[in-house]
Amino acid sequence: GENVEQHPSTLSVQEGDSAVIKCTYSDSASNYFPWYKQELGKRPQLIIDIRSNVGEKKDQRIAVTLNKTAKHFSLHITETQPEDSAVYFCAASSTGNTPLVFGKGTRLSVIA
Amino acid sequence: DTAVSQTPKYLVTQMGNDKSIKCEQNLGHDTMYWYKQDSKKFLKIMFSYNNKELIINETVPNRFSPKSPDKAHLNLHINSLELGDSAVYFCASTPYGGYGYTFGSGTRLTVV
Repeated sequence: GENVEQHPSTLSVQEGDSAVIKCTYSDSASNYFPWYKQELGKRPQLIIDIRSNVGEKKDQRIAVTLNKTAKHFSLHITETQPEDSAVYFCAASSTGNTPLVFGKGTRLSVIA
Repeated sequence: DTAVSQTPKYLVTQMGNDKSIKCEQNLGHDTMYWYKQDSKKFLKIMFSYNNKELIINETVPNRFSPKSPDKAHLNLHINSLELGDSAVYFCASTPYGGYGYTFGSGTRLTVV
């Protein structure tokens, strides 16, 4: 089955700096790669996703890149703000109906 | 107007008891899931249901029994609760063949 590795487990950045979180996956059949943000005591919320026919996707300060050959994908947050502080999860699945397999999460702290 | 709602939000119970968690979605989605999030924040799939039918049952003790009376509801019943069952349980739904989970708000189960 799919296995998703996520790094780093914790990340601290100064406000205004960029943050990068990286994930690798094992199943070459995976074709859907979402990222979720989970604030303390809240549910995970989808912030951006990418499918395997696309190499990069951007939404304001957030971007995701995908390298299918190397089986890795990354989340980039620019101009970080204190409200970006949360746990971020990457995930992968091979079809829309296959349950997402999540990475172990990255705790991002943005220091004002 | 909550899209995926779970009850109860908090559940404290003694070892050996039996308890249920309920989940309802009003999004018209066909597929529902139960995930367990442990103290280290790891999100792990437990069950997947598509249109009331069990699709995936990961390696979960048979003390856990999901039930889907209709495609809008997926409940989780747990028998003979153990200390290790303490976690946050998230329900989620997605359209059939679709992408992007909508998570419920979670149920924090504490077994004492």
